[in-house]
Amino acid sequence: KAGVTQTPRYLIKTRGQQVTLSCSPISGHRSVSWYQQTPGQGLQFLFEYFSETQRNKGNFPGRFSGRQFSNSRSEMNVSTLELGDSALYLCASSLARPSGIGGTQYFGPGTRLLVL
Amino acid sequence: DAKTTQPPSMDCAEGRAANLPCNHSTISGNEYVYWYRQIHSQGPQYIIHGLKNNETNEMASLIITEDRKSSTLILPHATLRDTAVYYCIVRVERGYQKVTFGTGTKLQVIP
Repeated sequence: KAGVTQTPRYLIKTRGQQVTLSCSPISGHRSVSWYQQTPGQGLQFLFEYFSETQRNKGNFPGRFSGRQFSNSRSEMNVSTLELGDSALYLCASSLARPSGIGGTQYFGPGTRLLVL
Repeated sequence: DAKTTQPPSMDCAEGRAANLPCNHSTISGNEYVYWYRQIHSQGPQYIIHGLKNNETNEMASLIITEDRKSSTLILPHATLRDTAVYYCIVRVERGYQKVTFGTGTKLQVIP
């Protein structure tokens, strides 16, 4: 079974630009979470989606947004990029049940974003 | 705030058992303990999880104390490829919950 895939793997942008990152979950997984990882702040939770709805959100400004499609694929968008947005962005998928999400998360390789 | 506390770093000799502790004193009754590891610049890799009983798989063993306030991940025969940052988190099996990763333990396996 293929793992979580993220595209692109590397990205260079300049301040003020916007960026869209893509995540394809493991087949059958309906929950997708996004994390930001920086050397200073570690792994920080951005948001989690299930059935095309955002179920949880971390403490990030509104410049960070996401969405999930009917096939469970997810995208996250960062607008008006700042130097501090340079980070490894990780996507994780997990199985979901009618009673809610949770459980084991499987991570993708990440997208490394550099903002100049 | 992270709900788990781990030592920032540990060393282990190659071939010996690596025992990584985690404190989760505020764990709720429906929260599982999960362990992940992250090898430099890669996505975190799932290792093992458990609720209250000890668990073992092909990668590791998980020992959870009876009061569930702490746990230990055991890598029985550490190899150089086990050098990584190990994260302990608590997460429900069902429900909607923000996940918080702490700073993890940097395990260095020494030849």
